[in-house]
Amino acid sequence: QSVLTQPPSASGTPGQRVTISCSGSNSNIGSNYVFWYQQLPGTAPKLLIYRNNQRPSGVPDRFSGSKSGTSASLAISGLRSEDEADYYCAAWDDSLSGQVFGGGTKLTVL
Amino acid sequence: QVQLQESGPGLVKPSGTLSLTCTVSGDSISSSNWWNWVRQPPGKGLEWIGEIYHSGSTNYSPSLKSRVTLSVDRSKNQFSLNLSSVTAADTAVYYCARGEVAVGNAFDIWGQGTMVTVSS
Repeated sequence: QSVLTQPPSASGTPGQRVTISCSGSNSNIGSNYVFWYQQLPGTAPKLLIYRNNQRPSGVPDRFSGSKSGTSASLAISGLRSEDEADYYCAAWDDSLSGQVFGGGTKLTVL
Repeated sequence: QVQLQESGPGLVKPSGTLSLTCTVSGDSISSSNWWNWVRQPPGKGLEWIGEIYHSGSTNYSPSLKSRVTLSVDRSKNQFSLNLSSVTAADTAVYYCARGEVAVGNAFDIWGQGTMVTVSS
């Protein structure tokens, strides 16, 4: 059971906007940065969002992150077939003195 | 560009010790970053194992703390993972990753991962 809670699955059609939620607590999301990672099948995770809503160079602006209180969200607009992947949220947890991940959300592009 | 490469045995016997090394290229292990290990059991999610700073300071996952040791070899620009008393539950793909201070310690660079199977 993961410290951060994500829906196990999400789906959308090409061109649609999809959001993935991530719920935590005061000791993690509530007091630290949220990160989002994309993992394409058979590959290592890739950093998608850092410091709640910042995109690394090369990440399309179709991807956006937000945080409010102890929850965070990843939004993907203009959905494409290549966005089909697993998405993980993560944050530092002050109580555990370590990084915690969400259980992951499998995004299917219909 | 910065690259990380995991290396080590792909098969470990139950009750034995899993040992992996991550070689860093394009960055110094002595930079102001934390160096991490993350694992992923087959078909499951990501689990953080721990992190080490070049000074030797460490943070470990509470669930693995009693069995994990991380170390740094600055002369070889490498850091290593030792996980003792392994069982089949430790079978996973093991990744090393850089926690880049400039992006709030997000894991911005990952190794390709190495599959480790615990079996007799």
